[in-house]
Parts: sequence; structure tokens; C-alpha cells
Amino acid sequence: DIQLTQSPSFLSAYVGDRVTITCRASQAIRSYLAWYQQKPGKAPKLLIYSASTLQSGVPSRFSGSGSGTEFTLTISSLQSEDFATYYCQQLNSYPYTFGQGTKVDIK
Amino acid sequence: EVQLVDSGGGLVQPGGSLRLSCAASGFMFDYFWMSWVRQVPGKGLEWVGNIKPDGSETHYADSVKGRFTISRDNAKNSLFLHMSSLRAEDTAVYYCTRDWSLLNHDFWGQGTLVTVSS
Repeated sequence: DIQLTQSPSFLSAYVGDRVTITCRASQAIRSYLAWYQQKPGKAPKLLIYSASTLQSGVPSRFSGSGSGTEFTLTISSLQSEDFATYYCQQLNSYPYTFGQGTKVDIK
Repeated sequence: EVQLVDSGGGLVQPGGSLRLSCAASGFMFDYFWMSWVRQVPGKGLEWVGNIKPDGSETHYADSVKGRFTISRDNAKNSLFLHMSSLRAEDTAVYYCTRDWSLLNHDFWGQGTLVTVSS
């Protein structure tokens, strides 16, 4: 199975900060990577797919990049509503797998 | 508006069985792959498995293979997860998801909690 490792696992930041989360795959997954945001008690929400395609309705401050084994999710200017946990997921091969999550908290 | 409504969760004893359901509306259900994803409370996400639009193909996580079966009824716009030989480690919130072109899970149900305990 393909392992995804996110770093950091926890991140504390101010409103307005630029935030970057990294997701590394144990083997190449081309661009078959998605990012999700989850708030407490809610279902995850799709942010980005195919590594860099912004899902409809998602603010443009979110962006994704990478291919192969290293990927990043960037929030250009953190807003109060962005404090949540973020997960990457590979859909290159079965079984699909998720990273362990990155919790973004208020500093 | 796309809607997925998960149901069927509850308390079940170890070794028992349970069937979860997902009622879909607002889109052409028989055009889409569908998945189940689970989450142990306070922990991360785990993909459980998925099913092809016509139901002819399924894939599963190793942790549930041979114990869980995904099926669908396209006439009733419904997705199912049949769980058997349940273990304490299957305790989780289970979400059904719509899969878009096998590139992402673009819509999620609200989740249903399954607790496996004696």
C-alpha cells in the first residue's frame, strides 16, 4: 500500500499568515492527489484534486502543487474559517490511502 | 442539489453484522462510482472501498476485505455497506461519498456512527 506522510502534523498560525502543508508519498502517484479540509463534527470537504485543480467554490487562497512523490497545499493568507484539519489522499492505486492529517490551529 | 444521507449505524456486539445505507439524490446516481470512508472518533480518515456505477466491480481496503461488502441499488439511488465479523477496531463514523472520475470524493454524507462493543 502507498503510505502518505504529512508534515507538520500540527501547525499554529496567525490570521493572514501564509501556510504550507507537505504530503509525501512512499512511491510515485503521478498527480493523483486530493486535499480535504475537515472541521470538528463535520464531513470532510474537497479542496483540491489532481494535485493542483481547485474544486469549484473553493477560495483562490488555496492552491496545490507537486507530482510524483511530493506535494504541497498552500493557503496564501489564512482566514479564521480555515482553522481545521487537512488531509491528503492518493487515488493513483488501490487501496486509496490518506495522510494522517495536519491540524491548523490559531496562534 | 447533491445530497447523500447515511443511516444504519448503531451499537453491535463483536462478531456481529450491520448494514449501512446511503440515500443519494440530486444527481445521476448510476453514472458515478461511490465509496465508503470511515473515521475513528478523534483520528484520521480511512478509505473502506468503492463500487463501479453498474455494481460490477468493487475494491476494498485490506482491513475489511472478506468481511465487508459494498453494493448498490441504482433503481432506488441507494448505496449499501454490509459489515460482518465486526471488531472493536471497526468502531468509527462511516461516510458514503460520491467519486468524481476516480479523482476525488466530491460529495460526502453526514456520516453514521458504528460502535462495536459488548
